[in-house]
Amino acid sequence: GAVVSQHPSWVICKSGTSVKIECRSLDFQATTMFWYRQFPKQSLMLMATSNEGSKATYEQGVEKDKFLINHASLTLSTLTVTSAHPEDSSFYICSARALGNRGKSPLHFGNGTRLTVT
Amino acid sequence: DAKTTQPPSMDCAEGRAANLPCNHSTISGNEYVYWYRQIHSQGPQYIIHGLKNNETNEMASLIITEDRKSSTLILPHATLRDTAVYYCIVRVGSGGNEKLTFGTGTRLTIIP
Repeated sequence: GAVVSQHPSWVICKSGTSVKIECRSLDFQATTMFWYRQFPKQSLMLMATSNEGSKATYEQGVEKDKFLINHASLTLSTLTVTSAHPEDSSFYICSARALGNRGKSPLHFGNGTRLTVT
Repeated sequence: DAKTTQPPSMDCAEGRAANLPCNHSTISGNEYVYWYRQIHSQGPQYIIHGLKNNETNEMASLIITEDRKSSTLILPHATLRDTAVYYCIVRVGSGGNEKLTFGTGTRLTIIP
């Protein structure tokens, strides 16, 4: 089945630094990837839609200059949390849909990256 | 966007069938119903999806009412590994921006 890989699975960084999270589709190509954030005991909240070769689309309330998204190829999207603060500590999850299966195929999710900002 | 309503929690005895309900009374005619589950500290796992007809795969069965206003996910023989939060989602958008909006889900606990 379709596999989405995230790296790293967990990261601890100091306040003010930047952290990059990678999301790769291992056995399929994806023109669109989605980035979610999940705080403890809460549901997943969509942050942005990453589009290969174009700018990402951000959900309302998500700062595009703080959460930089790059979708440089059909198998890789990256999320960079810039100038991280403790309140950015969360579980970040990406998902992707296989190219050519619009509308009907499921989205596949990575196993998430747990970010802790100290 | 069609929204879904699920009970916050349910228990089910191991070996029995787990029936998880979902209400989506405002669903549009071309929107699919998707079910995902999330085991603690992992990414969501796709289970099944459907439009009108009942669906079955190796994991579960999906029963959608004729008016499509509600559905039920059935895990036929629940095991302890099925303990997770189950999300019922209606697919929103079209033309490539088919994002999934997660509700609060149902926390299913399988009891030995």
